[in-house]
Amino acid sequence: GEDVEQSLFLSVREGDSSVINCTYTDSSSTYLYWYKQEPGAGLQLLTYIFSNMDMKQDQRLTVLLNKKDKHLSLRIADTQTGDSAIYFCAETVYAGGTSYGKLTFGQGTILTVHP
Amino acid sequence: GAVVSQHPSRVICKSGTSVKIECRSLDFQATTMFWYRQFPKQSLMLMATSNEGSKATYEQGVEKDKFLINHASLTLSTLTVTSAHPEDSSFYICSAIPGTSGGRSYEQYFGPGTRLTVT
Repeated sequence: GEDVEQSLFLSVREGDSSVINCTYTDSSSTYLYWYKQEPGAGLQLLTYIFSNMDMKQDQRLTVLLNKKDKHLSLRIADTQTGDSAIYFCAETVYAGGTSYGKLTFGQGTILTVHP
Repeated sequence: GAVVSQHPSRVICKSGTSVKIECRSLDFQATTMFWYRQFPKQSLMLMATSNEGSKATYEQGVEKDKFLINHASLTLSTLTVTSAHPEDSSFYICSAIPGTSGGRSYEQYFGPGTRLTVT
């Protein structure tokens, strides 16, 4: 079955880099996503990576994918206090159309950025 | 672009009553929408997939008679929590996939969520 795991907490100082890690179990994952959720709000898509890619960079965000270890990471460079939020990784698994578009989320990592 | 709204953002209701939550895609059409439930400090749990013009597909363990979903148009899906009880209190989030042709879209856009409190 599908299972996505994340560490629950990460605390960093403003200006440092943050690295949020995620592992998944389903090798048929097609897309892997990172979402950000601020308190009391919905989810904001930060970035996503196709499973045949190793890395994707988008401004301060770098996503690394290790398919062999089924490990995904999100690096936020020059972390700011406004980056404090919950970060979810998620995967989309397609299985004969019955899982079309369905996302399986990790538990979320609470990122706290200290001044 | 790609904005999804939910209404209401917060609702408090008495036990035994029904509550309807709306999810709208504001600037795109969506054949497929999803409803998620999120408990405090926990991940999102997919409740059901809402397909325009057809019956919703519910995840295992979700009571379809309790959580009624209607996807009446390409921009609107509704979730009705019937005979609500305190254990139904939660944060309900919808999402929508742009597109009407049935082709795959790899991006989902999420609504801001609805906080339901049942007293």
